[in-house]
Amino acid sequence: AQKVTQAQTEISVVEKEDVTLDCVYETRDTTYYLFWYKQPPSGELVFLIRRNSFDEQNEISGRYSWNFQKSTSSFNFTITASQVVDSAVYFCALRRVSGNTPLVFGKGTRLSVIA
Amino acid sequence: GAVVSQHPSWVICKSGTSVKIECRSLDFQATTMFWYRQFPKQSLMLMATSNEGSKATYEQGVEKDKFLINHASLTLSTLTVTSAHPEDSSFYICSANDPGHTAVRNYGYTFGSGTRLTVV
Repeated sequence: AQKVTQAQTEISVVEKEDVTLDCVYETRDTTYYLFWYKQPPSGELVFLIRRNSFDEQNEISGRYSWNFQKSTSSFNFTITASQVVDSAVYFCALRRVSGNTPLVFGKGTRLSVIA
Repeated sequence: GAVVSQHPSWVICKSGTSVKIECRSLDFQATTMFWYRQFPKQSLMLMATSNEGSKATYEQGVEKDKFLINHASLTLSTLTVTSAHPEDSSFYICSANDPGHTAVRNYGYTFGSGTRLTVV
């Protein structure tokens, strides 16, 4: 079975602080995809990143960076110099590479960035 | 590319009535559609998986007679909440897959914008 754990339910930071959102996953598959989505108050899911299990390179996109550690089954997400617009719920998700299988989501982390 | 249009965005209905939610893939063929439900401050939980032209597969605990899913064409899937009750109030969101469409396949499928259902 697949499982995604986001232990941090809510995080509150002051603007310009860095913040890391944790994600730990479980899967028996040897190949899989990991994702991060942002869900603003309006509800839609905004795709942030997809990572293949065979690619452990960390990735940086502007103020966002992701640390994939296969040895610890973690895929953490860091926002540098946070802004009020970063306030949202962030979901980590997992799915198999093959077949039409659904995404399995973590419970999400609600991030509040205070001005 | 790879857009899923979901309607309505929000709906308020009376207890006992039925509500239909539509998801349309605008620029690709959605061979598979996933329907999720999200209660306030909770995660997205998969309700069912539907493949075009066949019956939907429901997750454990989801009543198939209450949540009717129709995926009659490659561009349209509908979820009908029958005899809605206040406990059905939730955020419903669809997600489409098309293995032949790179953007959809590689980016974790394409999500609709969601429907917020309130049953009064």
